[in-house]
Amino acid sequence: DAGVIQSPRHEVTEMGQEVTLRCKPISGHNSLFWYRQTMMRGLELLIYFNNNVPIDDSGMPEDRFSAKMPNASFSTLKIQPSEPRDSAVYFCASGQEYEQYFGPGTRLTVT
Amino acid sequence: RKEVEQDPGPFNVPEGATVAFNCTYSNSASQSFFWYRQDCRKEPKLLMSVYSSGNEDGRFTAQLNRASQYISLLIRDSKLSDSATYLCVVLDTGRRALTFGSGTRLQVQP
Repeated sequence: DAGVIQSPRHEVTEMGQEVTLRCKPISGHNSLFWYRQTMMRGLELLIYFNNNVPIDDSGMPEDRFSAKMPNASFSTLKIQPSEPRDSAVYFCASGQEYEQYFGPGTRLTVT
Repeated sequence: RKEVEQDPGPFNVPEGATVAFNCTYSNSASQSFFWYRQDCRKEPKLLMSVYSSGNEDGRFTAQLNRASQYISLLIRDSKLSDSATYLCVVLDTGRRALTFGSGTRLQVQP
């Protein structure tokens, strides 16, 4: 099994640009989670899906952030427009709430 | 008050030492607890679950004290490869989602 796959691994963009992060969960996992990690705030849950349906998006910081899961094997997290304070590592994880497998993360830098 | 609090460390210990980390959680209704490990610039990985009766996995022992709302992780005979950040994690039963502590950094020195 390839594990959770995320792309891109690194993204550098300018303020105001749209950013799209992608995730392919482990096959057979019903839940998918998007997290953000920064030095100041640690690891924060942004949103999670169960069977492709968004269950809890209370962690999404503001309307600039949106996430979709059109099918069981793909999810996107979009930031539009991006701001420097969005700079962080964004992790996608799949599994169940009791055991989650994380992808390698996307390191986003917004200048 | 943070939902899950940990001493950020770093804990600098020599090889072979025994080291313990503690973590406190604020929601007394929490039911499930975990320790995750995160290496530098890598993703978090599940280290072990924490059961009410305490549990052991090789050199690692996890314990839960519900009355005091704290969780501990004990590492015996520490190895250089144990150097990492250890994240205390609590299942938020309301949201059905994990809440992570900020992590405790361990550096094992030769």
